[in-house]
Amino acid sequence: AQSVTQLGSHVSVSEGALVLLRCNYSSSVPPYLFWYVQYPNQGLQLLLKYTSAATLVKGINGFEAEFKKSETSFHLTKPSAHMSDAAEYFCAVSDRDNDMRFGAGTRLTVKP
Amino acid sequence: DTAVSQTPKYLVTQMGNDKSIKCEQNLGHDTMYWYKQDSKKFLKIMFSYNNKELIINETVPNRFSPKSPDKAHLNLHINSLELGDSAVYFCASSHPYRRDGFYEQYFGPGTRLTVT
Repeated sequence: AQSVTQLGSHVSVSEGALVLLRCNYSSSVPPYLFWYVQYPNQGLQLLLKYTSAATLVKGINGFEAEFKKSETSFHLTKPSAHMSDAAEYFCAVSDRDNDMRFGAGTRLTVKP
Repeated sequence: DTAVSQTPKYLVTQMGNDKSIKCEQNLGHDTMYWYKQDSKKFLKIMFSYNNKELIINETVPNRFSPKSPDKAHLNLHINSLELGDSAVYFCASSHPYRRDGFYEQYFGPGTRLTVT
């Protein structure tokens, strides 16, 4: 069964600094990978998804992620953090049948 | 024009009660889901329905029973509520999986259930 591991339950960066949120996946078949963001007291919103078209995926709000098969990773990055990026971020994987598995989440804090 | 809506947003009830959470989507999706998010933010799938038919049923107590009257609605009924049921419950929807792609899931705003 597929799964994802998010390294670091909490990441803190300064405003303007690089954001790097780590995600490693496990899947027996080529996976579909996703990053979702959850702002306080809200539902999850899709940031970006990888579905084998291109290894570097650009999403909303300046985020992007790179699929690296050799490292089984799908890390999320943003060159310059904004205060509004503070939220919980979830990596998710699916291989078939609409069965999506989420990581434990990483809380991003942005310091002024 | 809410895509996936849930009611109620907050639900506070006592142990032993029976309660329902409603979910509706207006995206024309065939597949709907229920997730439970615990206090540590861990998100776990509970059920998945495709065109009113159950396709995923994780290890969930049988006190939880989903009902899909039509493909735009997936309600969650919980009997004999327990303290451990306190969590945020999210409904989601998507198109079904196809060979040429996997469609992302769209989430509702969540229902915060507190059992006292």
